[in-house]
Amino acid sequence: KNEVEQSPQNLTAQEGEFITINCSYSVGISALHWLQQHPGGGIVSLFMLSSGKKKHGRLIATINIQEKHSSLHITASHPRDSAVYICAVRRAGGTSYGKLTFGQGTILTVHP
Amino acid sequence: EPEVTQTPSHQVTQMGQEVILRCVPISNHLYFYWYRQILGQKVEFLVSFYNNEISEKSEIFDDQFSVERPDGSNFTLKIRSTKLEDSAMYFCASSADRVSEAFFGQGTRLTVV
Repeated sequence: KNEVEQSPQNLTAQEGEFITINCSYSVGISALHWLQQHPGGGIVSLFMLSSGKKKHGRLIATINIQEKHSSLHITASHPRDSAVYICAVRRAGGTSYGKLTFGQGTILTVHP
Repeated sequence: EPEVTQTPSHQVTQMGQEVILRCVPISNHLYFYWYRQILGQKVEFLVSFYNNEISEKSEIFDDQFSVERPDGSNFTLKIRSTKLEDSAMYFCASSADRVSEAFFGQGTRLTVV
């Protein structure tokens, strides 16, 4: 079983819609990252969370440590938001040197 | 804004050849990582590097792989004798410490033919 599971795997939306991508994990973590990967392949960090909620522009990320669950929301979606969104966790514990364990990604397509 | 840079962006090599992928991490960062992503699959951890030595490696990182920080700025991944299954996107990342946000380079797409 994967330590990090994302849903849905594919998501299609119309411009302007509110979007939610979910991430569940099965290990104790010290932090969770939300990352964006565009068709060219490069990875951009959107958020790093260890508790609560963060907001940047139209993006909101939340995490519930007790339930081992995080969500990424996009408000007023736009075609330029089309990308792969990836959840990645950093395990808790003294033996971790900061490596990330990745989910399989959610492919988001926003149509005009 | 500081960024992690990787070169080359795309490399094609013949099976059995050695390749070196290069990365320049953010200058005040101390932790360095290599990840890879085979086409259509998730990103996988290869190795972490701190204080001039490997701090952690995955089972993928076998004897054909090595990493080096030859000077104060570069961080390299060497694959000694490439196989077809080494074809993937390789990402370098760096962070200030083991708890801070990681920053990724744009990746090197390695194609082994």
